[in-house]
Amino acid sequence: ETGVTQSPTHLIKTRGQQVTLRCSSQSGHNTVSWYQQALGQGPQFIFQYYREEENGRGNFPPRFSGLQFPNYSSELNVNALELDDSALYLCASSPLNSYEQYFGPGTRLTVT
Amino acid sequence: AQKVTQAQTEISVVEKEDVTLDCVYETRDTTYYLFWYKQPPSGELVFLIRRNSFDEQNEISGRYSWNFQKSTSSFNFTITASQVVDSAVYFCALSEADTGTASKLTFGTGTRLQVTL
Repeated sequence: ETGVTQSPTHLIKTRGQQVTLRCSSQSGHNTVSWYQQALGQGPQFIFQYYREEENGRGNFPPRFSGLQFPNYSSELNVNALELDDSALYLCASSPLNSYEQYFGPGTRLTVT
Repeated sequence: AQKVTQAQTEISVVEKEDVTLDCVYETRDTTYYLFWYKQPPSGELVFLIRRNSFDEQNEISGRYSWNFQKSTSSFNFTITASQVVDSAVYFCALSEADTGTASKLTFGTGTRLQVTL
């Protein structure tokens, strides 16, 4: 186990609603990244947070936003949900000065 | 832009066979890292190996080995004497290496490995 936890495990939302996904990093990991994995695809980078600031963003619209807290936990918020947002959302944390990312079990979001 | 290609969509082998998963990458960076991750049915991505672009030494770790060839932009991964527990989707990934910290991973589309008895 990596020590990275995510909640909830599964979530069903309706198109147009808003959702918040949570991630708790391993102790001492100050960088957290979020990825979206559609069915049958590889994970796609959404954004990364380092010391509570956004530190890089992938090709996702502004309705995808995030936060990192002083205890290095993190949230991913998605507004105005669309059907294509249905996916597995993965959180990954990294310790200082390391290039390795350790993934949590993911949150499976279904938008109907 | 970075790109990772895993041409093999699905591979089926019988237990104890050796299997090689192919990965070809594209990047304009002179320094970068290459990774292999395993994703079992539970969904969690499990880190397997990482290689630096400036270190082409190939290694063996238990039943795993990898072949990094910068000249052909390939980073292949071999499982020796496969076991049923190796059944999973395997992802090859690429990241920058000059940021001082973990940067975004660019993943391939994955290869589903099925090992049967």
